[in-house]
Amino acid sequence: QSALTQPRSVSGSPGQSVTISCTGTSSDVGTHNFVSWYQQHPGKAPKFLIYDVAKRPSGVPDRFSGSKSGNTASLTISGLQAEDEADYYCSSYAGSYTWVFGGGTKLTVL
Amino acid sequence: QLHLQESGPGLVKPSETLSLACTVSGGSIRSSTYQWAWIRQPPGKGLESIGSVDYTGTTYYNPSLKSRVTISIDTSKNQFSLNLRSVTAADTAVYYCARWITNYDTLAGYIGMYYFDYWGQGTLVTVSS
Repeated sequence: QSALTQPRSVSGSPGQSVTISCTGTSSDVGTHNFVSWYQQHPGKAPKFLIYDVAKRPSGVPDRFSGSKSGNTASLTISGLQAEDEADYYCSSYAGSYTWVFGGGTKLTVL
Repeated sequence: QLHLQESGPGLVKPSETLSLACTVSGGSIRSSTYQWAWIRQPPGKGLESIGSVDYTGTTYYNPSLKSRVTISIDTSKNQFSLNLRSVTAADTAVYYCARWITNYDTLAGYIGMYYFDYWGQGTLVTVSS
């Protein structure tokens, strides 16, 4: 199992949009529509934002959206706010009740 | 509201066994809808899967750790546990327990699949002599 590939960092100004990519393989992201995204603030446990590629649980603002094309999933955050500054991780089901995480992306709100 | 809480020693000596428990409150661990997972995060690094267990005790492990890991479940205590043998400094990390959706909910139907919806707060385990 290799980690999914995410950019180490992205940044944007308040009100702008940013997109974080998550690239896997045909064994995980490419085959399964079970990509999830997590937000982690420093010293805190991850909080899930997106499941099944593009679905948002109740309570997560619609500024957060997910998508997938081929072996790459993406998380887009629109209308950036200061509190969005955090680390973001993607995860994909990889078959046989295993999963893999991305390496994480640090979002800086300028 | 479901709550998960990790417990165990914060310091383990090299070559010894790291043992942690995760106590689940606010809901039953005995459900076919979920598996119960362990995930770790070395300081300043990303998340790494360790493995999971379902309510029957069936386990699934990350191949890179499989030879050293045992995950078990005690439904009478609403608790699941992690044992990691022969630890080294590389095993120093924050260890999280989490609930993993792996099946349809008997009441709600499809609620999504293969994501972690509840996490413990995490516990730092340092491997050092």
